[in-house]
Amino acid sequence: GAVVSQHPSWVICKSGTSVKIECRSLDFQATTMFWYRQFPKQSLMLMATSNEGSKATYEQGVEKDKFLINHASLTLSTLTVTSAHPEDSSFYICSARAGTGEVSYGYTFGSGTRLTVV
Amino acid sequence: GQNIDQPTEMTATEGAIVQINCTYQTSGFNGLFWYQQHAGEAPTFLSYNVLDGLEEKGRFSSFLSRSKGYSYLLLKELQMKDSASYLCAVMDSNYQLIWGAGTKLIIKP
Repeated sequence: GAVVSQHPSWVICKSGTSVKIECRSLDFQATTMFWYRQFPKQSLMLMATSNEGSKATYEQGVEKDKFLINHASLTLSTLTVTSAHPEDSSFYICSARAGTGEVSYGYTFGSGTRLTVV
Repeated sequence: GQNIDQPTEMTATEGAIVQINCTYQTSGFNGLFWYQQHAGEAPTFLSYNVLDGLEEKGRFSSFLSRSKGYSYLLLKELQMKDSASYLCAVMDSNYQLIWGAGTKLIIKP
């Protein structure tokens, strides 16, 4: 089945630094990648949707200059948290859909990245 | 607005059966998904329903009634490893997933 590899699995960084999270689709072409954030005991919150070769679409309330998304190829999307602060500490998960036709396959999720900003 | 409702938490006994309900109101409908999420891990796909009726897959079954905006996930022969959160998500007319808050299922011996 479709696999999305996400890394790092966890990262601790100092306040004010930047962190890059990568998601790679291993056996399919991810034309669309979704980035989610999940706080403890809460549901998934969609941050942005990116399509290969175009600018990401950010959800209301998500700062695009703080959460930089790059989807330069059909197999790689990155999320960079710039100037991270403790309130950015969360579980970040990427999800991919191969194309518009395979709705029934669902969305394949990466394993998630636990970010802790100290 | 768009809304997905599911119970916050449920408790069941090992070996028993539990039904987790989900009701939804969305702009358009292109299917309903159930995902399982263990603490600290990403969600994993369980089922997809786009037509009315029951889909059975081993110990897990999922039911959909589009006219009622209602679905349920049925788990049989519960095992301790089934303790997790179960997320209901609806794909709207723009093929975007709208997520419920999840139901935390606690299995007791």
